[in-house]
Amino acid sequence: DAMVIQNPRYQVTQFGKPVTLSCSQTLNHNVMYWYQQKSSQAPKLLFHYYDKDFNNEADTPDNFQSRRPNTSFCFLDIRSPGLGDAAMYLCAGSDTLTDTQYFGPGTRLTVL
Amino acid sequence: AQSVSQHNHHVILSEAASLELGCNYSYGGTVNLFWYVQYPGQHLQLLLKYFSGDPLVKGIKGFEAEFIKSKFSFNLRKPSVQWSDTAEYFCAVNAWEYGNKLVFGAGTILRVKS
Repeated sequence: DAMVIQNPRYQVTQFGKPVTLSCSQTLNHNVMYWYQQKSSQAPKLLFHYYDKDFNNEADTPDNFQSRRPNTSFCFLDIRSPGLGDAAMYLCAGSDTLTDTQYFGPGTRLTVL
Repeated sequence: AQSVSQHNHHVILSEAASLELGCNYSYGGTVNLFWYVQYPGQHLQLLLKYFSGDPLVKGIKGFEAEFIKSKFSFNLRKPSVQWSDTAEYFCAVNAWEYGNKLVFGAGTILRVKS
């Protein structure tokens, strides 16, 4: 089975203090995605990488950045977290854009 | 704009009852369709998917879904639910003409009473 691993599972940060969430996948998926999921809402796509090509959603705030140093790892950087950024952040991987996406367990971010 | 509608946000059933969760989408072209499940405290897991072929697809844990192109629907069914099916269920659609983004419905929270 596809394995998508996210660390940490729970992250607490302070208002305005930068935070980085990490994701790794074990099946050499070409595409990696970051979603934001707030309570009782559907996951919302923030951006994705197709190989090294970065694709930002039009409504993703500039406060959110991403890095993909290699095929296996992808990072989500939140430069200045606000209270509204408290959410579950989901990472997913797939072989192509149309294939099944496999999700990690998520990182629940709390902003104090 | 692309959208995926799930008709019920909360469903409560007794064990052994039959389940049908509705999902409609607004794309006119070729679509890939998915149902994901999120058990309490766990990550999103794929239940089943439809890419092409037989419009009745079977997934894990006794779930099935039927793609009806004329109705733009992909409803999820299970003949007899169990307490362990308590979870949130998301319908999702992926279409080439919308950049192959996976668009999720708002989710349906199913609670099965034992």
